[in-house]
Amino acid sequence: GQQLNQSPQSMFIQEGEDVSMNCTSSSIFNTWLWYKQDPGEGPVLLIALYKAGELTSNGRLTAQFGITRKDSFLNISASIPSDVGIYFCAGQLASGSRLTFGEGTQLTVNP
Amino acid sequence: DSGVTQTPKHLITATGQRVTLRCSPRSGDLSVYWYQQSLDQGLQFLIQYYNGEERAKGNILERFSAQQFPDLHSELNLSSLELGDSALYFCASSVTWTSGVGSTDTQYFGPGTRLTVL
Repeated sequence: GQQLNQSPQSMFIQEGEDVSMNCTSSSIFNTWLWYKQDPGEGPVLLIALYKAGELTSNGRLTAQFGITRKDSFLNISASIPSDVGIYFCAGQLASGSRLTFGEGTQLTVNP
Repeated sequence: DSGVTQTPKHLITATGQRVTLRCSPRSGDLSVYWYQQSLDQGLQFLIQYYNGEERAKGNILERFSAQQFPDLHSELNLSSLELGDSALYFCASSVTWTSGVGSTDTQYFGPGTRLTVL
């Protein structure tokens, strides 16, 4: 099935460093979302973006909805050990419709 | 805690068998989505129900079926199981909000059911 291209696939960083990951698609989405998944758990919503060009923050997390509607990025500032996990981007065509997920970025934070 | 519950947490069964996965959405959420997460395919949408009716189908095999009951809980039935069906199965629920600028919704995921087919 269709998936978004998410990069990088994995990141190994030191505590305190900033992190950036992005997602691109060949087709337009009207909503972009970023989820985090811990081992053995379901994805948890971090940030939702509803308008092209929108820049939204949630604590140390900042995400942007690309102007072309075909991409989004997520930044994490001053990483801490509990940021460890898999981060997924997801695109949604319309409210109430399915999510299309990226392949995920595995983040490891070394104390 | 997302408010979405799924049972069982783990399920181990043999090839050829049939299993039923259960999902209870958050209170008030009318939409239920099922997703499959496998190592090689990532998170894939299977099927969506809205207030008891099937709304959308994704990459769902014919051996799989689902339904949503009047109390809004949903069940995903997997039959004639194969080794490749081993995966995490997630349920998500959402409610759509409509305002002057349009509609938005947020999908909240349950903890998943880990299915192992031996």
